[in-house]
Amino acid sequence: SAVISQKPSRDICQRGTSLTIQCQVDSQVTMMFWYRQQPGQSLTLIATANQGSEATYESGFVIDKFPISRPNLTFSTLTVSNMSPEDSSIYLCSVGRGASTDTQYFGPGTRLTVL
Amino acid sequence: AQSVTQLGSHVSVSEGALVLLRCNYSSSVPPYLFWYVQYPNQGLQLLLKYTSAATLVKGINGFEAEFKKSETSFHLTKPSAHMSDAAEYFCAVSEPGGGNKLTFGTGTQLKVEL
Repeated sequence: SAVISQKPSRDICQRGTSLTIQCQVDSQVTMMFWYRQQPGQSLTLIATANQGSEATYESGFVIDKFPISRPNLTFSTLTVSNMSPEDSSIYLCSVGRGASTDTQYFGPGTRLTVL
Repeated sequence: AQSVTQLGSHVSVSEGALVLLRCNYSSSVPPYLFWYVQYPNQGLQLLLKYTSAATLVKGINGFEAEFKKSETSFHLTKPSAHMSDAAEYFCAVSEPGGGNKLTFGTGTQLKVEL
């Protein structure tokens, strides 16, 4: 298993600003994932972050809006850029070893409200 | 493309009653299947997973699920609900050979009443 922490746990931001969310894992992991959970909805994968390479974005998500860093095997950041109220969501990071059968372990999430 | 359908966004049961949360998948090949639980203000925690070994899978907290290929289903059950089971439950799939990427269902909020 893995213990994952996220900072901040919640934030209220103004329209047009940016917020960087940090994800820290207590052990080295191959793959880190970033999800968005909009109010009352399920989780949607934003991107997969591998150390030493560019993040892979899912359809509908672009690097300019959600830049991701993965400087080492225990840390990643997601930035939500030029925010609008539609970006109000819970953002979760998770980690996995890379195989289809592997369990993903999730952080507690960052609750973002954009005014 | 894979998809997951969870019938019933809200399910309410009495304490001690059977819990049944439904999950159906759509996939060109039998996927791997997961059930996660999310307690309020917490991240997701794995309950159990099916990875093509036994079709009846037992998980934590007394939950189990049965993979039925003919019905493309992976319903979650627990014989006797407890108040502490109140949470949101998500079914998810991953595609064999598709890496660790998960596709989630829309979730079912379970309410347990006295």
